[in-house]
Amino acid sequence: DVVLTQTPSTLSATIGQSVSISCRSSQSLLDSAGNTYLYWYLQRPGQSPQLLIYLVSNLGSGVPNRFSGSGSGTDFTLKISGVEAEDLGVYYCMQATHAPWTFGGGTKLELK
Amino acid sequence: QVQLQQSGAELVKPGSSVKISCKASGYTFTSYDMHWIKQQPGNGLEWIGWIYPGNGNTKYNQKFNGKATLTADKSSSTAYLQLSSLTSDDSAVYFCARYNNYYYVMDAWGQGASVTVSS
Repeated sequence: DVVLTQTPSTLSATIGQSVSISCRSSQSLLDSAGNTYLYWYLQRPGQSPQLLIYLVSNLGSGVPNRFSGSGSGTDFTLKISGVEAEDLGVYYCMQATHAPWTFGGGTKLELK
Repeated sequence: QVQLQQSGAELVKPGSSVKISCKASGYTFTSYDMHWIKQQPGNGLEWIGWIYPGNGNTKYNQKFNGKATLTADKSSSTAYLQLSSLTSDDSAVYFCARYNNYYYVMDAWGQGASVTVSS
């Protein structure tokens, strides 16, 4: 199975600070058709995960543009440009290039 | 709008089975894959598999072969996850999620259904 390693596991930030989360894959997520099925989700306490970014860098519907995704191959990054209070929770990357689909271990974003 | 309404919390005995439901609304149920994801307390997310309600095709994470069975009822726009031979390791929250084939993404999730296995 593809292993996704997220760093850091915990991130402390102040409101307005810009932060980045890394997601590294044990295998390339580029498929033979040239697609990279890498996603980012946010799970707020007591809620289900909600989509932030799909296919590496596409913003989900209704997602604020302070969120951005980048990367290729095995290295991917989620950036939040100016953390807001509603951004607190656990962030997960997920890959769907290789079966079974797998998730990263999560990064908890908390207020400093 | 797209909504996925899951069944309520379950307390079940070891060795028994449980069936969780996910009722879809706001879209054509038979045109989108439905995925299922497991989340154990304090742990991350684990993909179980998917079903295409249009024809009943399924694909499972091999880890859940023999444990999970996915079905769908087109008449009620409801997808089901059945878990068998339950152990304490099956205690978790289970989510259903719609897969948007146009954008290649799980874009809508149910609220989750909690299963607790205890004697």
